[in-house]
Amino acid sequence: GDSVTQMEGPVTLSEEAFLTINCTYTATGYPSLFWYVQYPGEGLQLLLKATKADDKGSNKGFEATYRKETTSFHLEKGSVQVSDSAVYFCALGSSGGSYIPTFGRGTSLIVHP
Amino acid sequence: DAGITQSPRHKVTETGTPVTLRCHQTENHRYMYWYRQDPGHGLRLIHYSYGVKDTDKGEVSDGYSVSRSKTEDFLLTLESATSSQTSVYFCALSRGATDTQYFGPGTRLTVL
Repeated sequence: GDSVTQMEGPVTLSEEAFLTINCTYTATGYPSLFWYVQYPGEGLQLLLKATKADDKGSNKGFEATYRKETTSFHLEKGSVQVSDSAVYFCALGSSGGSYIPTFGRGTSLIVHP
Repeated sequence: DAGITQSPRHKVTETGTPVTLRCHQTENHRYMYWYRQDPGHGLRLIHYSYGVKDTDKGEVSDGYSVSRSKTEDFLLTLESATSSQTSVYFCALSRGATDTQYFGPGTRLTVL
């Protein structure tokens, strides 16, 4: 079945540092790929997505590129802020006739001033 | 943002009592999902619905049932709550099966 592997956290950075959170996947089809963010006490919300190979999703300074050849969708940001502290989830949309998306375990990001 | 609410937002109950959580949407999305989130386990799918009266089990469905009698409401019932069901429960919905999921604010359930 489909699966998502993302780096374990917490990831701890100083403000203005460069961020990478790795995400790799296995899938039977060609699913859409997503990054969701969860702030404390809230539900997940979409950060960005890509629907096909080589697409780049971007939002709020975050970027991720759908790499079919390496089955990856790494999240990057050039300069993090304290307000980016949250848990980040990589996810696959459903594929192959399934109705079920697949989520990674989540990576906690802590940004210090 | 999709209009999605969950009720109650917090609940404390005792072992053995029935509990029903409600998810309500105003977006007319076809697909609805119930997840639980626990430290060290990430998000785990309990049940989902792909239309009115059409539901199916997720990976952690034991001890839970669901009902969807109309598009806007998806109910999750714990027939006899146990302490292992203490968790934060999230409802999510999507327009299509492959589309973005929109999450509710969550219900924090404590079973004593």
